[in-house]
Amino acid sequence: DTEVTQTPKHLVMGMTNKKSLKCEQHMGHRAMYWYKQKAKKPPELMFVYSYEKLSINESVPSRFSPECPNSSLLNLHLHALQPEDSALYLCASSQDGTGAGEQYFGPGTRLTVT
Amino acid sequence: GENVEQHPSTLSVQEGDSAVIKCTYSDSASNYFPWYKQELGKGPQLIIDIRSNVGEKKDQRIAVTLNKTAKHFSLHITETQPEDSAVYFCAASNKNTGRRALTFGSGTRLQVQP
Repeated sequence: DTEVTQTPKHLVMGMTNKKSLKCEQHMGHRAMYWYKQKAKKPPELMFVYSYEKLSINESVPSRFSPECPNSSLLNLHLHALQPEDSALYLCASSQDGTGAGEQYFGPGTRLTVT
Repeated sequence: GENVEQHPSTLSVQEGDSAVIKCTYSDSASNYFPWYKQELGKGPQLIIDIRSNVGEKKDQRIAVTLNKTAKHFSLHITETQPEDSAVYFCAASNKNTGRRALTFGSGTRLQVQP
């Protein structure tokens, strides 16, 4: 089973709202990732958690705040977003805790900021 | 850092024909090369990968070849079917040192005409 689940599937939020994206995996994977994907572009890495600790932050604006409550869960808290933040947000996980190797992606959350 | 170039950006083939997508990478230390298939509205799906100690790997109708000297790797799909239509991304990473996160190519939109 290589399933990564993400909720919600779609999210529309205003620029003053606070919302959270959730990601879950039950494969015992030790690294989890957040990516942002704009239309017709490859996924762009945002954050990597390795063994529940933040190991990579790709200079992401502070209006995006990741959280890893436990080894199976990953959240992305959103606050004061801009319309250009509208994108598909993908979560991924990998068995390899070093942040490389086979990564399995969830279906994504389609975010629209109005 | 690593840079991955992918060609072509679009590829149209007739059902039953073969399709080849090529990627080059810049960092000679990269040693893991996955390929992802992304269908419309879904997250990327890992379809095949290869490590630098192997020159070729096959899985039914798909194969990947790696030329470490030239720093390029290719995805080969034989007997294409309409359900192969999707965007394909190559990626590279170095499991041992440095960044240890995937760097993606720009993607190839494959269309299989019935």
